[in-house]
Amino acid sequence: NAGVTQTPKFQVLKTGQSMTLQCAQDMNHNSMYWYRQDPGMGLRLIYYSASEGTTDKGEVPNGYNVSRLNKREFSLRLESAAPSQTSVYFCASRGTGMFGNTIYFGEGSWLTVV
Amino acid sequence: AQKVTQAQTEISVVEKEDVTLDCVYETRDTTYYLFWYKQPPSGELVFLIRRNSFDEQNEISGRYSWNFQKSTSSFNFTITASQVVDSAVYFCALSQAGTASKLTFGTGTRLQVTL
Repeated sequence: NAGVTQTPKFQVLKTGQSMTLQCAQDMNHNSMYWYRQDPGMGLRLIYYSASEGTTDKGEVPNGYNVSRLNKREFSLRLESAAPSQTSVYFCASRGTGMFGNTIYFGEGSWLTVV
Repeated sequence: AQKVTQAQTEISVVEKEDVTLDCVYETRDTTYYLFWYKQPPSGELVFLIRRNSFDEQNEISGRYSWNFQKSTSSFNFTITASQVVDSAVYFCALSQAGTASKLTFGTGTRLQVTL
């Protein structure tokens, strides 16, 4: 999965703490995404950004905020972590083109909220 | 609304058997993309294939093949002569056309290949 880098890879938080997941891509892609993966539920979209300066809610946005800092970077922030946010988080990016291009994923960030 | 259904939660096969992973999708769009991703035990998501709605040709890549049928809204994935390294969770996904379009994932099928 060269091209999409996420940090940190593992994190344990206490309930109520805040943290930011960082994501950067070096493929000059316009669109970026944050997904969460929970057992038996596949991947669900949290937020996405169609281009620099724009962000939109996905399927499960509650409890999260995002920032599209520039074309390369798209961060996900948990303001007050809850145990229900224990999950694996994936950042992804997608290139330009009339019919869309392949979506590439980062390696994932394992977050545990206790 | 878009939906992807992978009815097979888990499949177990013995090495060298052929196995087919089913994927059924729902969309009202006439132009869309279908994807398969592999998630090995290490956890990363590996892109396998993308197919657009205009192209119903079956695709073969080594031991992997994909059968896209718009008439039944299915995009099935077959592994021929399975190997232990094929053990993973496989996700089917659907996307509208367009640069900002989101992927809608199925819940995944866990494939276990044993010796």
